[in-house]
Amino acid sequence: GEDVEQSLFLSVREGDSSVINCTYTDSSSTYLYWYKQEPGAGLQLLTYIFSNMDMKQDQRLTVLLNKKDKHLSLRIADTQTGDSAIYFCAERGDSSASKIIFGSGTRLSIRP
Amino acid sequence: NAGVTQTPKFQVLKTGQSMTLQCAQDMNHNSMYWYRQDPGMGLRLIYYSASEGTTDKGEVPNGYNVSRLNKREFSLRLESAAPSQTSVYFCASRRMENTEAFFGQGTRLTVV
Repeated sequence: GEDVEQSLFLSVREGDSSVINCTYTDSSSTYLYWYKQEPGAGLQLLTYIFSNMDMKQDQRLTVLLNKKDKHLSLRIADTQTGDSAIYFCAERGDSSASKIIFGSGTRLSIRP
Repeated sequence: NAGVTQTPKFQVLKTGQSMTLQCAQDMNHNSMYWYRQDPGMGLRLIYYSASEGTTDKGEVPNGYNVSRLNKREFSLRLESAAPSQTSVYFCASRRMENTEAFFGQGTRLTVV
């Protein structure tokens, strides 16, 4: 079945890089997504990667995709206090592409 | 631009009571979704509607019903609320497959 897995917590020092990892099961996913949820708010799309890409960079964000291992990662360079949030990995869920399946979310906390 | 609007924001129900969570989007999106968010479990899909006039079960549909009233509105009904349905509920919509999903601010529901 469909499954997306992430570790629940990550703590990094301000200024360091954060790497959030995700594994998924649906090999037919065309797009894979990273969403960010700030406290008391809904989710917002942070970035996404098309399945025929290995890497996508967008300012401080780098997404790496290993299709063979079904592994997705999000690297945040120079992590700031404003990056504190829950980060969700998501895939489309099935061949119909109508569903979006989310991981459990990784809560990123920043140490001074 | 309202985006995705959910009502109410907070609700307390007694076990056995019924209620309907409302969701409306003003972006002319085709697909709409209902998720519940529980600690450590991420977002789990309850029901979705790929287009006006269709609804399908997600991962955790038991105890819920939905109505896609028109293209704008997608409601979630709890016929007989149970404490296990205490959660934060999010509605989302997107224009078509593989596009960004937009989320409402969430409804925090407590069943006592």
